[in-house]
Amino acid sequence: QAVLTQPSSLSASPGASASLTCTLRSGINVASYTIYWYQQKPGSPPQYLLRYKSDSDNQQGSGVPSRFSGSKDASANAGILLISGLQSEDEADYYCMIWHSSAYVFGTGTKVTVL
Amino acid sequence: EVQLMESGGGLIQPGGSLRLSCAASGFTFSDYGMNWVRQAPGKGLEWVSYISSSGSTIYYADSVKGRFTISRDNAKNSLYLQMNSLRAEDTAIYYCARDLSSSSPDWGQGTLVTVSS
Repeated sequence: QAVLTQPSSLSASPGASASLTCTLRSGINVASYTIYWYQQKPGSPPQYLLRYKSDSDNQQGSGVPSRFSGSKDASANAGILLISGLQSEDEADYYCMIWHSSAYVFGTGTKVTVL
Repeated sequence: EVQLMESGGGLIQPGGSLRLSCAASGFTFSDYGMNWVRQAPGKGLEWVSYISSSGSTIYYADSVKGRFTISRDNAKNSLYLQMNSLRAEDTAIYYCARDLSSSSPDWGQGTLVTVSS
């Protein structure tokens, strides 16, 4: 079982909201971790979006629109990236990341399609 | 402006060795931990290795431990990855990335390593 599991794909209409989940493996408590989120478009390196540990400990990447936000769902043991007001330019792959057991771990990635 | 420029990639036979370099500019290189992250064609991101600002702390992914060696030369503002005993599954774009836990992590454009006979 992967440390971080993300849905492989998600489709939504322009203007809609998209909630991307990053589920931590059983035994790894999301409350203890800062979740980092990256966006990657074809042919380009990943771009940092934001990090989220709690409502009082989070940080938006420089120049990242406020319609990208982070949160957690403790009951699902998951980090969440919410994209509000989807735009065509948001079509990309999205990866979550944590620092765990002396290693960075990336999620499996979600491909977001804006229909 | 932060710039990270990787070099040294190419086609190499299985079992061979390759040394990647990452030239850094636009920031005080010696203040930051650095990483190598790779991405196989059409696949997701995989962290490879981390080195602290002074070079005193180093971590590796299990998949490369014992085969890859990360190092840095702060006088030359450069990061390196020595890759030995290369396998087909090491084929990937290799990115250098500045301090993944910082408020402004930066990534290079990457260099492609292809391991094939």
